[in-house]
Amino acid sequence: LAKTTQPISMDSYEGQEVNITCSHNNIATNDYITWYQQFPSQGPRFIIQGYKTKVTNEVASLFIPADRKSSTLSLPRVSLSDTAVYYCLVGVLNSGNTPLVFGKGTRLSVIA
Amino acid sequence: GAVVSQHPSWVICKSGTSVKIECRSLDFQATTMFWYRQFPKQSLMLMATSNEGSKATYEQGVEKDKFLINHASLTLSTLTVTSAHPEDSSFYICSARDSPEATGELFFGEGSRLTVL
Repeated sequence: LAKTTQPISMDSYEGQEVNITCSHNNIATNDYITWYQQFPSQGPRFIIQGYKTKVTNEVASLFIPADRKSSTLSLPRVSLSDTAVYYCLVGVLNSGNTPLVFGKGTRLSVIA
Repeated sequence: GAVVSQHPSWVICKSGTSVKIECRSLDFQATTMFWYRQFPKQSLMLMATSNEGSKATYEQGVEKDKFLINHASLTLSTLTVTSAHPEDSSFYICSARDSPEATGELFFGEGSRLTVL
């Protein structure tokens, strides 16, 4: 499984756009990229998933360059409730029995 | 989205006792569930993969006799912490996919906080 590297922590003011970049230099051809959000004492929650280029949903955007060795989660106009730990995970595309392995994650603190 | 539910959400027990944590997929069938453990301020650590109708696959360093996993049906997996000790105090989280495809979203339970006195 591809190892991921993220900043340990980030701070942002409310209303700003936050970009969290994840490095996954040894990503394999059949790996996909998934981001999860975790609040204290809760299970992680799916945010977004992608394979290449750009993916956007109602919560976030995910940018993946052509070489796929990194990805950037973009959170538009963050609020205090976005304070959480964000995990970037890389997983095998064609095996439903393969678990996702969590790295250290990025602790985002949103300040009023 | 699909729902994975854990019970109990928190439990306190005395050292030496055993504790069972249930993980249920409420609206889908899951042939495979995953168990994670999380210590304060740390990331989730994969403990084992639970397979319906067969033995669980444990990660290196996780004692299979200490953490008993049973996946007796397509909607229920249980984790039993046997002879619990204070160092087993942690946040235990289960997860499952709602489809056999790996691109199926991995849903997580609410977590179960175990405190061993």
